Amino acid sequence: NAGVTQTPKFQVLKTGQSMTLQCAQDMNHEYMSWYRQDPGMGLRLIHYSVGAGITDQGEVPNGYNVSRSTTEDFPLRLLSAAPSQTSVYFCASLSPTGSNSNEQFFGPGTRLTVL
Amino acid sequence: AQSVTQLGSHVSVSEGALVLLRCNYSSSVPPYLFWYVQYPNQGLQLLLKYTSAATLVKGINGFEAEFKKSETSFHLTKPSAHMSDAAEYFCVISNFGNEKLTFGTGTRLTIIP
Repeated sequence: NAGVTQTPKFQVLKTGQSMTLQCAQDMNHEYMSWYRQDPGMGLRLIHYSVGAGITDQGEVPNGYNVSRSTTEDFPLRLLSAAPSQTSVYFCASLSPTGSNSNEQFFGPGTRLTVL
Repeated sequence: AQSVTQLGSHVSVSEGALVLLRCNYSSSVPPYLFWYVQYPNQGLQLLLKYTSAATLVKGINGFEAEFKKSETSFHLTKPSAHMSDAAEYFCVISNFGNEKLTFGTGTRLTIIP
């Protein structure tokens, strides 16, 4: 299993540009989430999904869109990038049942800079 | 709302010394608590988790944590620090369904040779 994969690893955008951060998992996990990590603030939840076709907002959803058309994929869209969105973005997945229930598995992260 | 507070954004210990990273939580319901570790320029790895079974939880790499309801604490310890323990450590609390994690602000652990 590849686990949770994220692309790209690094990205530089100009203010106002749009882009999509990709996240995929091959563990058949029902739950997927996006977090952003900023210095001194830990990780904060942006959006999450408990299954295909179901998404909800987390703590810091403004400026981001998500959709979940398949169990495997959970892309994060920045509609009009702003310097405040410069951050490291982590995708995570979890299965609510089984031996590893309660544990979220994290991807390697995408480092985004908005100029 | 649930929250965790990590005391000390930076902790330095000598190699071989005790590691103690402090975390206090706030929750109106019995919490699920976790410690995650992040090595430089990497993702996050689960160290250990408390899910109301045993109050003393053992994790990977010799780490353990004790859930103390009376003190609302979940401190992380390791008897003898190793150079490879240098990393950032996050105390995390989860809602009941575990789909939403709330992170502490992190503690950067430095090991002094």
